[in-house]
Amino acid sequence: AQKVTQAQTEISVVEKEDVTLDCVYETRDTTYYLFWYKQPPSGELVFLIRRNSFDEQNEISGRYSWNFQKSTSSFNFTITASQVVDSAVYFCALSEARGAGNNRKLIWGLGTSLAVNP
Amino acid sequence: DTGVSQDPRHKITKRGQNVTFRCDPISEHNRLYWYRQTLGQGPEFLTYFQNEAQLEKSRLLSDRFSAERPKGSFSTLEIQRTEQGDSAMYLCASSLKGRLETQYFGPGTRLLVL
Repeated sequence: AQKVTQAQTEISVVEKEDVTLDCVYETRDTTYYLFWYKQPPSGELVFLIRRNSFDEQNEISGRYSWNFQKSTSSFNFTITASQVVDSAVYFCALSEARGAGNNRKLIWGLGTSLAVNP
Repeated sequence: DTGVSQDPRHKITKRGQNVTFRCDPISEHNRLYWYRQTLGQGPEFLTYFQNEAQLEKSRLLSDRFSAERPKGSFSTLEIQRTEQGDSAMYLCASSLKGRLETQYFGPGTRLLVL
């Protein structure tokens, strides 16, 4: 069965600290896709990154970086020099090509609530 | 670019009433998903359309729930005889079928059943 675990429920840091959000996944498929979304207090889910299972290159986008390791089934997210505007709930999600019509439904973790304090 | 829109943004209703939510996906997106999210949880998949065809429904979706996407564009989600347990955020996402498929979400409809 597919599963996403975000073990950190809440994290609180002071502005400019670096913070890493952990994500561990389970899947039987050899081809799958991993995502991170941000959900600010307004509630809308904002797409951050997609990673395909066959591409283990790590990625950096500004202050954000992602570390994908198939050997440990992890897809961790690091924010460097955090800012107050980074305060949000961050979700890790997994999708596979399963079900009728190649359904790419997302399986979600419980999210990590990040508070960045001034 | 116009993103995914949902209407209404908030709905308060009394138990037993019917409610209908609308989702307008990104215009060229052929896939549309509905999810439900309760407080402190991640979203849970409800149903999925490819064009106008509803191809999968979650077991979470009781007989009181129905969804349509009549012309392969906008979609509606109806809940009949609402119950307090239906109170949640209802999220719609759309995507374009393909190798780099990514779901983009609307702002959600927050439902409160009294």
